[in-house]
Amino acid sequence: AQSVTQLGSHVSVSEGALVLLRCNYSSSVPPYLFWYVQYPNQGLQLLLKYTSAATLVKGINGFEAEFKKSETSFHLTKPSAHMSDAAEYFCAVSMTTDSWGKFQFGAGTQVVVTP
Amino acid sequence: EAGVTQFPSHSVIEKGQTVTLRCDPISGHDNLYWYRRVMGKEIKFLLHFVKESKQDESGMPNNRFLAERTGGTYSTLKVQPAELEDSGVYFCASSQSGRRVDTQYFGPGTRLTVL
Repeated sequence: AQSVTQLGSHVSVSEGALVLLRCNYSSSVPPYLFWYVQYPNQGLQLLLKYTSAATLVKGINGFEAEFKKSETSFHLTKPSAHMSDAAEYFCAVSMTTDSWGKFQFGAGTQVVVTP
Repeated sequence: EAGVTQFPSHSVIEKGQTVTLRCDPISGHDNLYWYRRVMGKEIKFLLHFVKESKQDESGMPNNRFLAERTGGTYSTLKVQPAELEDSGVYFCASSQSGRRVDTQYFGPGTRLTVL
């Protein structure tokens, strides 16, 4: 069975510092991978997705993620954190063998940005 | 273009009562998904509609949950009778048609509290 692990339920980062959120999946077949962000009182918003094209994926708001098959990882980064990046971030996978695309999510990482 | 909307945003009910959650997907989206996040845990898949048909309901917890999608447009999720463990945030998501992985657009969720 597949699983998604996000390391760290809470991450605190200083404004201007690197944001690094970790996501690992367990699956014998590389899945499709997504990062979503949830701001307070809003729905989940897609940041970026990997669907077997380029392994380095650029998303919105300056975020990017790199798919590493050998490490079964899809870590999310942003070079310089802004106060507006404070939110909860979710990694999600969808199996390529599942034609209908249901997601399996990690537990989420709450990001706090300090001045 | 309007996004995915959910109603109500919050619902507080007593154990044994019935609650109906509604989701209006993005117009023209054939795929509609329901997910649930219990406090402190990951977002979990409940079921998937393609138009008015249930494609996958493997995540439904038990027969107290009933989902419908009238005419392939909006969907309702009824919990009857509600139990304490049903508390959580219920998300709805929609995506365009086709047997492929596509971006899912999420609503803001309905927070259900069962007392």
